Amino acid sequence: AQSVTQPDARVTVSEGASLQLRCKYSYSATPYLFWYVQYPRQGLQLLLKYYSGDPVVQGVNSFEAEFSKSNSSFHLQKASVHWSDSAVYFCALTWNSNNRIFFGDGTQLVVKP
Amino acid sequence: NSKVIQTPRYLVKGQGQKAKMRCIPEKGHPVVFWYQQNKNNEFKFLINFQNQEVLQQIDMTEKRFSAECPSNSPCSLEIQSSEAGDSALYLCASSKTGGHQDTQYFGPGTRLLVL
Repeated sequence: AQSVTQPDARVTVSEGASLQLRCKYSYSATPYLFWYVQYPRQGLQLLLKYYSGDPVVQGVNSFEAEFSKSNSSFHLQKASVHWSDSAVYFCALTWNSNNRIFFGDGTQLVVKP
Repeated sequence: NSKVIQTPRYLVKGQGQKAKMRCIPEKGHPVVFWYQQNKNNEFKFLINFQNQEVLQQIDMTEKRFSAECPSNSPCSLEIQSSEAGDSALYLCASSKTGGHQDTQYFGPGTRLLVL
C-alpha cells in the first residue's frame, strides 16, 4: 500500500538559515511526488512536483526537492528561509491509474526572526 | 495562484442539520475533487467529477454526503445530517485533465464546525 511519512511534525529555524523538510514515501514503483504549502486560513499551493528526470527539481520561492529512489525520499530544501515561509508543508503522491492525492501529515515550519 | 472559489469560508451547524458548501473550479478545468482535512491534518478524498459525471467516491460520501457539479452552476458538497466528526476543512480542487500527473489547484476551503 502507498503511504507518505513526514517524520517531523514541527521544525523551527531562524530567518536566513537553510531548511530541510523530510518526506519518505512507500510505493512499489515511482510515484508522482508533490510538495504543497498551506498558509494560515488558505488552501494548498503547489511548490513543486516530480516524476522522472533530474532528481533535483526546482519550485517556486526558491524551494527545491531531491528525489532519492534508493532512500524512497523526497526532501524539500531551501537555502535561506524568510519569516513569510512560516506555514504547514505537505508532501504528497499520486500514481498511475489513480488521481487522488495521498498526503503526509504535514510539517509545521516556524521561522524565527 | 489558484483561482478556485469556495463559499462560504466558514459554516456552523448543529448536529443533524444540513451543511452545504460550494465550489467554482478554475476556468477550463472540468475535473473537480473534494477532500476533507481534519484538525490533525489528515486528508480524506471524498469524491471527484469530470464535468457533471462522478468519477470516484468513497463509501462515506455515498451515505450522508451528496455532491454534484451541474452545468453552468457551482459544484456543491452537502452533508445531509451533520455529525460532530464532520467538523473539518473541506477543500475543493480542480484540474485540467484529472490525470495522476496533473496539478490539482486548491481553493481556500470551507471550514465546517458542527456543534
